[in-house]
Amino acid sequence: DTGVSQDPRHKITKRGQNVTFRCDPISEHNRLYWYRQTLGQGPEFLTYFQNEAQLEKSRLLSDRFSAERPKGSFSTLEIQRTEQGDSAMYLCASSLGGVGYTFGSGTRLTVV
Amino acid sequence: QQQVKQSPQSLIVQKGGIPIINCAYENTAFDYFPWYQQFPGKGPALLIAIRPDVSEKKEGRFTISFNKSAKQFSLHIMDSQPGDSATYFCAAAIIQGGSEKLVFGKGTKLTVNP
Repeated sequence: DTGVSQDPRHKITKRGQNVTFRCDPISEHNRLYWYRQTLGQGPEFLTYFQNEAQLEKSRLLSDRFSAERPKGSFSTLEIQRTEQGDSAMYLCASSLGGVGYTFGSGTRLTVV
Repeated sequence: QQQVKQSPQSLIVQKGGIPIINCAYENTAFDYFPWYQQFPGKGPALLIAIRPDVSEKKEGRFTISFNKSAKQFSLHIMDSQPGDSATYFCAAAIIQGGSEKLVFGKGTKLTVNP
């Protein structure tokens, strides 16, 4: 499968715990994006990388959230001290320049 | 502030019908307008996109109509099929400004009955 891969697909965690998600983009894509989608809403932009550089961050990305893309390959999104409001689908996308993204199937986070 | 407003929230048509989904935007700096299709449990998939220098773009059964003066654009699905049942999102971006952030509408859940 040469699409965007996200792991895990589902994560249930207790409030206050830390969680980390992984995204493997399409191999030749140099841009990687993270979005968050809550039930009944469209995806909301969180951040994006060009190679290993994080070029833009949304104000939605509070200090509890951190994203990395070491070596410009896979990316991780960590949420510290999770809150119930963090429950959402976290989507990763990649592109070879420009906005014609390919999205992964997402990681669904439930904070209980 | 919602920058891209999408309507209707849900839509039911019969097979062969032509559902139309509408979006309106506020920021005149937007210069790229894609439509995405999302099935349950999947990420959004790009269907078709348009730049503001054209008024219509067609790809297969999907057509975007764009009205720059009214700041509106719409998706038409010709000869709709039950397999088209999904949630559709319009979006907008300012790619000339170097940002690659997409701003999405809230989505339209389309049901095509057999």
